[in-house]
Amino acid sequence: GENVEQHPSTLSVQEGDSAVIKCTYSDSASNYFPWYKQELGKRPQLIIDIRSNVGEKKDQRIAVTLNKTAKHFSLHITETQPEDSAVYFCAVSGGGSNYKLTFGKGTLLTVNP
Amino acid sequence: GAGVSQTPSNKVTEKGKYVELRCDPISGHTALYWYRQSLGQGPEFLIYFQGTGAADDSGLPNDRFFAVRPEGSVSTLKIQRTERGDSAVYLCASSQAPNTEAFFGQGTRLTVV
Repeated sequence: GENVEQHPSTLSVQEGDSAVIKCTYSDSASNYFPWYKQELGKRPQLIIDIRSNVGEKKDQRIAVTLNKTAKHFSLHITETQPEDSAVYFCAVSGGGSNYKLTFGKGTLLTVNP
Repeated sequence: GAGVSQTPSNKVTEKGKYVELRCDPISGHTALYWYRQSLGQGPEFLIYFQGTGAADDSGLPNDRFFAVRPEGSVSTLKIQRTERGDSAVYLCASSQAPNTEAFFGQGTRLTVV
């Protein structure tokens, strides 16, 4: 089955700095790569996603890049703000006819004022 | 409703008892997922429905766990002979189609004592 590795597990940055979180996956047939943000005690919410026919996608301060050859994708947050502090999860799905969404273990991002 | 609804929000049960957890997806969403999340971990896949059928149940840990979605809308996750290790937050998510944004419910926190 699909194996998703996420790094780092914790990340602390100063307000205004950039943050980068990386994920690797094992199934080369996977074709959908969302990122979710989960604040303490709340449900995960989608912040950005990318499909395998696109190498990069940007939405304001958030961007995702995908390298299908290397089977890894990354989340980039620029000009971080304290409200960006949360746990971020990458996920992968779409291998073959299997649309199961497999999550990484998460990255706790802390943005220090 | 406007979002994915899960009931109950909290459930405390005694070891060995049977529990049912309910998920009301967003109207019209054909894909429905169940996940289990322990503290500090990513959502762990349990089962995925496409319509009424279980398209992938490879994440169910053992035969004590079972889920149904008889009419392609509401789903129930059933756990027999509960064990303390079953304690976790059980999350349900739905999406309009496979490989599109999955919307999560607020979860059911199950505690087995």
